[in-house]
Amino acid sequence: GQQLNQSPQSMFIQEGEDVSMNCTSSSIFNTWLWYKQDPGEGPVLLIALYKAGELTSNGRLTAQFGITRKDSFLNISASIPSDVGIYFCAGQLNSNYQLIWGAGTKLIIKP
Amino acid sequence: EAQVTQNPRYLITVTGKKLTVTCSQNMNHEYMSWYRQDPGLGLRQIYYSMNVEATDKGDVPEGYKVSRKEKRNFPLILESPSPNQTSLYFCASSLSASGGGETQYFGPGTRLLVL
Repeated sequence: GQQLNQSPQSMFIQEGEDVSMNCTSSSIFNTWLWYKQDPGEGPVLLIALYKAGELTSNGRLTAQFGITRKDSFLNISASIPSDVGIYFCAGQLNSNYQLIWGAGTKLIIKP
Repeated sequence: EAQVTQNPRYLITVTGKKLTVTCSQNMNHEYMSWYRQDPGLGLRQIYYSMNVEATDKGDVPEGYKVSRKEKRNFPLILESPSPNQTSLYFCASSLSASGGGETQYFGPGTRLLVL
C-alpha cells in the first residue's frame, strides 16, 4: 500500500531546541493530520489541516499544509522532555476516506 | 469517559491457534478501523468499517477477518495466526466516514506475539 515519505526517521535533540519534521507524497491530499504516540499508547491527534497553504498552531506546535497539497511539515518550538515520542503524519486522499500514514519520526531528547 | 477499548492488551500464542482481539467504542462512532504497527513501517490499515455490516479491506488484509454486527464492536479475528502477524495492533474509531478528515480515536493497542 501507499505510504507517505516522512523524515527524519529519528531525531536526537537537546531540551530547548526547535524541531522540524516533514512528510511528502506523490499524491494530492485534501487533509493532512499530525499525530503523536507516547510509549505504550495509541496515537493522539495533534493538528488537522484542511486547506492548501493553511498554517495552524497548537501551543508550541505549528503545522502547515503545503501549497502543492503533496507535503506538510510540523515544527515544535523549545522542546521539553514530554515531547518525546513518535510523531506520525497522515494524509487523506480525495477519492475515499482511507488515511495514508507516514512511517513516523521518533523524537529523543538528550539529557 | 469516551474511549476505545481493546482486549487483550498483550497476547502470546502459537502458530495456527485461532484468536480474536476485541475492540469496543462508547462514542456511537460510525467508522472503525484496525491497524498494525511495525518498526519502520508506521501504521498500516488492515480492515475498516463505515457502518454496521459494512466492512472493507485496507492495505494488509491477508490473514485477518473482521465483523461489524453492532456499531460499538469491531473484533479482529486471526483464523490461523503465523509469526509474521507478530505486531502491535490498534483499533480506531471516528464519528463518521464522510471524508472530512475527522479525527480518529485510537485504542491503547494489543501487542501480539505468535510463536
